Amino acid sequence: GNSVTQMEGPVTLSEEAFLTINCTYTATGYPSLFWYVQYPGEGLQLLLKATKADDKGSNKGFEATYRKETTSFHLEKGSVQVSDSAVYFCALSEGYSGAGSYQLTFGKGTKLSVIP
Amino acid sequence: EPEVTQTPSHQVTQMGQEVILRCVPISNHLYFYWYRQILGQKVEFLVSFYNNEISEKSEIFDDQFSVERPDGSNFTLKIRSTKLEDSAMYFCASSDWGNVDGYTFGSGTRLTVV
Repeated sequence: GNSVTQMEGPVTLSEEAFLTINCTYTATGYPSLFWYVQYPGEGLQLLLKATKADDKGSNKGFEATYRKETTSFHLEKGSVQVSDSAVYFCALSEGYSGAGSYQLTFGKGTKLSVIP
Repeated sequence: EPEVTQTPSHQVTQMGQEVILRCVPISNHLYFYWYRQILGQKVEFLVSFYNNEISEKSEIFDDQFSVERPDGSNFTLKIRSTKLEDSAMYFCASSDWGNVDGYTFGSGTRLTVV
């Protein structure tokens, strides 16, 4: 079956530090890959996505590249801010898995705290 | 911006009791989902719902669980006889045409079974 493994948290960084959150996946087909973010007290929000190998997803200064050869989708940001403090989830979908359904398979989440 | 609303944000219930978690999806969305996250573990798919019926469910979604869209606006998850291991954060989501890109998640209900 499908699975997503992401680095254990929590991760604590100083403002303007470089961020990497590792994510690797196992899938039977050719999945789409996603990063979701959950800010305190809010729902899961799509941060970025990539739908095929070598695609780079980017949003709000965050980037992740779909690496088929290493089955990875690591999240990076060059300079984090206090407002980036949140829980980050890596996820995959193999697309249409049933009538009107696209299941997401999530990792455990990584809590990021950015201190001034 | 439209949002998915979940109530309550936190519910404590005694083992063996029935609990109903409520969700109000985005009004023009057609597909509805429940996911859950046990503390420290992965977010897991429970069930998807379309056209007033379950379209897919996971192994977790056994006979203790049911979903309903009783009035065209609410989408509920019922657990008939709660167990300690049902303690988790439950997320509702909706989408307009089934594509995972179009998912909007609610902020979750934390269920604690004591």
